[in-house]
Amino acid sequence: DSGVTQTPKHLITATGQRVTLRCSPRSGDLSVYWYQQSLDQGLQFLIQYYNGEERAKGNILERFSAQQFPDLHSELNLSSLELGDSALYFCASSASGTGVHEQFFGPGTRLTVL
Amino acid sequence: AQKVTQAQTEISVVEKEDVTLDCVYETRDTTYYLFWYKQPPSGELVFLIRRNSFDEQNEISGRYSWNFQKSTSSFNFTITASQVVDSAVYFCALSLVPDGNNRLAFGKGNQVVVIP
Repeated sequence: DSGVTQTPKHLITATGQRVTLRCSPRSGDLSVYWYQQSLDQGLQFLIQYYNGEERAKGNILERFSAQQFPDLHSELNLSSLELGDSALYFCASSASGTGVHEQFFGPGTRLTVL
Repeated sequence: AQKVTQAQTEISVVEKEDVTLDCVYETRDTTYYLFWYKQPPSGELVFLIRRNSFDEQNEISGRYSWNFQKSTSSFNFTITASQVVDSAVYFCALSLVPDGNNRLAFGKGNQVVVIP
């Protein structure tokens, strides 16, 4: 158990809908990262937050947004969903936003868009 | 731009054999970190090892060992005396220190199948 929790574990929805994925980092970790894993794109970095502030953006679509709250949990919002958004979404946390520390991953949320 | 290549897609071995996974990375930076993660069939990503670009010393940790060669930009990973529980997808990843944000660039992964 990495100490990172993600809910829900599975999510099935329809095209055009909006969903929210939730992540709680390991106790004491200030950085939260979101990654998407799909068959065609592999594991891709989406976005990072550090202590409530956006730190870096990767290949995140404009339809997607995220935030980190004062209690450090984070939410990834996916809107106007398309079939191609079906993927496994991981949240990871690390001790710091600077320097390089290993990231510990949550169990993931499997999103299926029908 | 940073890039990680794991050429072997699926590797099958018989239990107790050793298996080596190849990882080749590209970066113009001189300071970076390399990682290996394991993704078992249950789906979670498990951190295995981390190595920084300043330390080319190869190490062994239990049945895992790794061979970091800066001259060839390779960071290979070996599982000794494989077990069925080692069946998983293994990802090599790169993080750039000057990037300042610790994002990971992953390779496509190596599917390891250990046959009992």
